[in-house]
Amino acid sequence: GNSVTQMEGPVTLSEEAFLTINCTYTATGYPSLFWYVQYPGEGLQLLLKATKADDKGSNKGFEATYRKETTSFHLEKGSVQVSDSAVYFCALFHPSLGAQKLVFGQGTRLTINP
Amino acid sequence: NAGVMQNPRHLVRRRGQEARLRCSPMKGHSHVYWYRQLPEEGLKFMVYLQKENIIDESGMPKERFSAEFPKEGPSILRIQQVVRGDSAAYFCASSSGQGDEQFFGPGTRLTVL
Repeated sequence: GNSVTQMEGPVTLSEEAFLTINCTYTATGYPSLFWYVQYPGEGLQLLLKATKADDKGSNKGFEATYRKETTSFHLEKGSVQVSDSAVYFCALFHPSLGAQKLVFGQGTRLTINP
Repeated sequence: NAGVMQNPRHLVRRRGQEARLRCSPMKGHSHVYWYRQLPEEGLKFMVYLQKENIIDESGMPKERFSAEFPKEGPSILRIQQVVRGDSAAYFCASSSGQGDEQFFGPGTRLTVL
């Protein structure tokens, strides 16, 4: 079946550090891939997405490239800020008959210290 | 344009009581999804509904849980005879069609005492 595996957290970095959160997936065919962010006490917000191989999603300084050959969608940011502290979820969507669900990784808690 | 609305935001129930969680999708959206997030875990799909129809309930526990999305009014996730293990955040998402982007509500945090 479809599954998503994320880098174990928590991750703690200093402000302006480089961020990578690893995400790999297992799926048949060509799923769409997403990163969601969850700030404390809030729901999930879509951060970025990619719908086909070699696509790069980007938003708010974050980037992720859909790598079919390595089945990966790693999240990166060149210089993190305190306000980036949140939980990040990698997810895939693979529409098939009767299956319209997002499949999420377990989440990675990120803390940025000033 | 209001986003997905869920209420209540926090719900406390004693073991054996019933919990009713409500979700109003975004305007123009007729597809609703419920997900559950257990502490320190990712979201797990529970059920997918369109107006008056359950399309996929493969993630719903076999007993005590039910969901509906009537022609008028919000979608309801009902948990009967709650147990401590039901304590979680329940998120609703909506989309305008199959395969379209899902927009999430703020969630209902259920605590079972």
